[in-house]
Amino acid sequence: EAEVAQSPRYKITEKSQAVAFWCDPISGHATLYWYRQILGQGPELLVQFQDESVVDDSQLPKDRFSAERLKGVDSTLKIQPAELGDSAMYLCASSQNEREYTDTQYFGPGTRLTVL
Amino acid sequence: GQNIDQPTEMTATEGAIVQINCTYQTSGFNGLFWYQQHAGEAPTFLSYNVLDGLEEKGRFSSFLSRSKGYSYLLLKELQMKDSASYLCAVTDSNYQLIWGAGTKLIIKP
Repeated sequence: EAEVAQSPRYKITEKSQAVAFWCDPISGHATLYWYRQILGQGPELLVQFQDESVVDDSQLPKDRFSAERLKGVDSTLKIQPAELGDSAMYLCASSQNEREYTDTQYFGPGTRLTVL
Repeated sequence: GQNIDQPTEMTATEGAIVQINCTYQTSGFNGLFWYQQHAGEAPTFLSYNVLDGLEEKGRFSSFLSRSKGYSYLLLKELQMKDSASYLCAVTDSNYQLIWGAGTKLIIKP
């Protein structure tokens, strides 16, 4: 069964350092999502890609966060500089279809980030 | 604003039945999802409802009433491995997925 891949699974960094997360969606999935999830809360959408284009980054803190999906396949999310409040689980998900359609999102295993 | 309400935590006994409720107020409705999330892991898809009624899938069933803005997830024959958080999420009129905070289900022997 096809899965969403993410790396690393765990990351510990000091504040003010740069961190990067990688995601490879299920093959053929056009839509890719990056979420941040704090313990005890639901996932919060950071950015949504349709192929290589950003369709929603309204909740992405753009002063320190950036995301790209250059070839419309895998994606990287970067934080620079990291702050203590960035400690969370970072989840990547993908879905098959275009916008204007309700489709199931499938999640990768996530990256647990701890900022010291 | 958009809002999804679920109980924060529920406790049930192994072998029993539990119902987890979800109420929503969103800008439009294009479907409701239930996901299961074990501690420290990613959410996994359980069910999808877009029409009123009950959808059954093995030990899990999900119900939707669009007129009441209400759904529930019913878990039968509870097993210890069902201890997890259960997330309700609604697709709004812009096809954006709005997430609830999740219900932590504790199963006791």
